[in-house]
Amino acid sequence: QVQLQESGPGLVKPSETLSLTCIVSGGSINSYSWSWLRQPPGVGLQWIGYVSYSGSTNYNPSLKSRVTISIDTSRTQFTLKLSSVTAADTAVYYCARQDNTNVYDSGRYSPVSYMDVWGKGTTVIVSS
Amino acid sequence: DIQMTQSPSSLSASVGDRVTITCRASQSISRFLNWYQQKPGKAPKLLIYAASSLQSAVPSRFSGSGYGTEFILTISGLQRDDSATYFCQQSYSSPSSFGQGTKLEI
Repeated sequence: QVQLQESGPGLVKPSETLSLTCIVSGGSINSYSWSWLRQPPGVGLQWIGYVSYSGSTNYNPSLKSRVTISIDTSRTQFTLKLSSVTAADTAVYYCARQDNTNVYDSGRYSPVSYMDVWGKGTTVIVSS
Repeated sequence: DIQMTQSPSSLSASVGDRVTITCRASQSISRFLNWYQQKPGKAPKLLIYAASSLQSAVPSRFSGSGYGTEFILTISGLQRDDSATYFCQQSYSSPSSFGQGTKLEI
């Protein structure tokens, strides 16, 4: 089955750029969108953004000015870059596959998206 | 942005019990609501999508219901392995957002 594996530095200095890669194995990277999420210590989950297999992106407005998510379908991987990091960016970072299903509501079908496959997560600490 | 509020924040139950966790959205989200289970040190696991659809391979003791602004996750016949934190997530509008979590102790 599809597996996701995050990789990247576990320690990043303040003001630098955090860069993580998620490798997709055991399945196709096409026909799905691919998300990044994070979870600061002892806190809930925050959605960072996603990239579709075609390269279109959607970011959380709270991070949009600092985030870039890209995809390399030939290498079956996608990448997160978060610039100008501070201690507030310390978190466990997860990559996830975003699937969707159509539901009939208010006279039309609409896609409900959800994260059905997750990587194990990687801890990133921002510190000098 | 849509705010998601879960209740209770934590609860304790016994093996065999039936428990419910509530998730409320700050505005109507139709059925655009998912539930996840997270154990310490592990990634979240999808349980329920589109409010009431059971994800493949998830035991049938998990069920979801609700529409609009109020949703419920029900776990029947609790097992020790169900000890975890449960999160709801709305995917009605961007940015997608999560509840703060409900910690279930068995």
